[in-house]
Amino acid sequence: DTAVSQTPKYLVTQMGNDKSIKCEQNLGHDTMYWYKQDSKKFLKIMFSYNNKELIINETVPNRFSPKSPDKAHLNLHINSLELGDSAVYFCASSQELAAYEQYFGPGTRLTVT
Amino acid sequence: DQQVKQNSPSLSVQEGRISILNCDYTNSMFDYFLWYKKYPAEGPTFLISISSIKDKNEDGRFTVFLNKSAKHLSLHIVPSQPGDSAVYFCVKSTGNQFYFGTGTSLTVIP
Repeated sequence: DTAVSQTPKYLVTQMGNDKSIKCEQNLGHDTMYWYKQDSKKFLKIMFSYNNKELIINETVPNRFSPKSPDKAHLNLHINSLELGDSAVYFCASSQELAAYEQYFGPGTRLTVT
Repeated sequence: DQQVKQNSPSLSVQEGRISILNCDYTNSMFDYFLWYKKYPAEGPTFLISISSIKDKNEDGRFTVFLNKSAKHLSLHIVPSQPGDSAVYFCVKSTGNQFYFGTGTSLTVIP
């Protein structure tokens, strides 16, 4: 029974397209996150939501928009995809804000051609 | 702004021996430091933590040491097992933020 799931696992698309990545957690956690792991292997936080409210919004282009319909879901929508958006995107959740144990999904590898 | 640095991208160790993974960090007084472990095609999983006010934390085969004067963190795995082969991330937790290092890929040779 997967704790944090992401769909799709792989996503290949062309520049200029709009795409979404979905994330669901069944742990009953209050806080969810999106991270980006770039080609240099840096894993950086993009967004953090607590009880469906945006808490952290790092310097991320406006083309990226998170949507949290409920506490168990945090989806990531990306408009006008660019080559530099190619990366692995990880969703994560934690019981509460600032908890140091975060549970990560398996990642979504996005390739923009 | 790299808060944590892992200067060794890879490490190979014989099964049964000690694995030592290192991490350097920038100044921080009231943070937690964490180690996360990642297998291929999976997300990172939490391994062990240490408060910035402590010097050592132990959990089974895993021990984390914090040297505040040197701003240095290390993870010791004893004895190393083939199942420990993974990428290990050093993480600084500051308030709501996690800062990941670039990871060290550990290979434990049977």
